[in-house]
Amino acid sequence: EAQVTQNPRYLITVTGKKLTVTCSQNMNHEYMSWYRQDPGLGLRQIYYSMNVEVTDKGDVPEGYKVSRKEKRNFPLILESPSPNQTSLYFCASRGQTETQYFGPGTRLLVL
Amino acid sequence: QKEVEQNSGPLSVPEGAIASLNCTYSDRGSQSFFWYRQYSGKSPELIMSIYSNGDKEDGRFTAQLNKASQYVSLLIRDSQPSDSATYLCAESYNNNDMRFGAGTRLTVKP
Repeated sequence: EAQVTQNPRYLITVTGKKLTVTCSQNMNHEYMSWYRQDPGLGLRQIYYSMNVEVTDKGDVPEGYKVSRKEKRNFPLILESPSPNQTSLYFCASRGQTETQYFGPGTRLLVL
Repeated sequence: QKEVEQNSGPLSVPEGAIASLNCTYSDRGSQSFFWYRQYSGKSPELIMSIYSNGDKEDGRFTAQLNKASQYVSLLIRDSQPSDSATYLCAESYNNNDMRFGAGTRLTVKP
């Protein structure tokens, strides 16, 4: 089944404790992206990647890192999480067509 | 600051009516426009894209784009209760960096 998977789905952590949210797609898509979704603000793009080793900042990259060492994986790294990074995070991928496929989301709470 | 604005709603329509969802954007360089549907607790899914001025129809959905007015809309004909969801408008200059509106919550009442 073609899909985008994210892990973990739910995470509670404390300020300053490094964490990684993994994202993997099995559709051989070149483009992958991370978003955060907050009430009243909608989806905001954090980072995107056009291909392996090619990443670029979206609208809200501060406090986040990404890497694209393999085509299928695009992890999101929070080196020192803060409470304002509490949010719902979505990973997405896209092939040659315009359709972005979103993962199921990761709900993060930073205390 | 490039922005996409939508009425947050909620928008409530009776079953069988036409639901009209509107969106404005600030970046005159935007080339691509999208409508996503997001059911509660689920991830967004693409329902329509539009690139040229005018109308684009797909089943019960019609997207309308007016680049001069920086306005994009989505019409849902014969609305069904299953259409109840949040609808997200998005725009992009190059299909890579995407900007979404906050979404309009639609409720279709039986």
